[in-house]
Amino acid sequence: SAVISQKPSRDICQRGTSLTIQCQVDSQVTMMFWYRQQPGQSLTLIATANQGSEATYESGFVIDKFPISRPNLTFSTLTVSNMSPEDSSIYLCSVVLGQGRDTQYFGPGTRLTVL
Amino acid sequence: AQTVTQSQPEMSVQEAETVTLSCTYDTSESDYYLFWYKQPPSRQMILVIRQEAYKQQNATENRFSVNFQKAAKSFSLKISDSQLGDAAMYFCAYRSDAYGGATNKLIFGTGTLLAVQP
Repeated sequence: SAVISQKPSRDICQRGTSLTIQCQVDSQVTMMFWYRQQPGQSLTLIATANQGSEATYESGFVIDKFPISRPNLTFSTLTVSNMSPEDSSIYLCSVVLGQGRDTQYFGPGTRLTVL
Repeated sequence: AQTVTQSQPEMSVQEAETVTLSCTYDTSESDYYLFWYKQPPSRQMILVIRQEAYKQQNATENRFSVNFQKAAKSFSLKISDSQLGDAAMYFCAYRSDAYGGATNKLIFGTGTLLAVQP
């Protein structure tokens, strides 16, 4: 497995502002993913971030709202832009590891509250 | 589109007893992976166990085992000798292996909250 860290672990933000969440992995990985977990709900994939290419967004998520950077094979950021209270969620990054590259491992998550 | 259903929002088990969490899924694909993840209050998603659809043998990891019924599209998790640290939300997840799993997208169920009584 790998060590996956996220910063910040939690934040409280004002409506209309933006927050950038960082995800750092201690080994090089090709695919990184960003998920959202709204209060009391399951995880929903926001986008897939591959190094050297544009992120691929899932239906219902757009780049203007959730811009993603992937500057190298160990790091990615997700920005939540122009926040509203509906953006209050846990945001998790994950990476694919394993011999068959078939299992995702998750970071500890960032708990975001928007007032 | 694939879907994952967990019909038990909450379950409770006595310490040292056995509990089974249910999961069903819907897919037209033949090649895929299934996973159980655990999310304790710390919110870290932890992989519990995985199953390749092409394998008939049920996966086991220490006290955790699955009952994989491919024809019935059922994937239940059995926790034996339950411990207080097993208390968490448990999510069942599906991943297609189409296109060699290129998208690697996980589809999650709604979760089952497991309480362990001392």
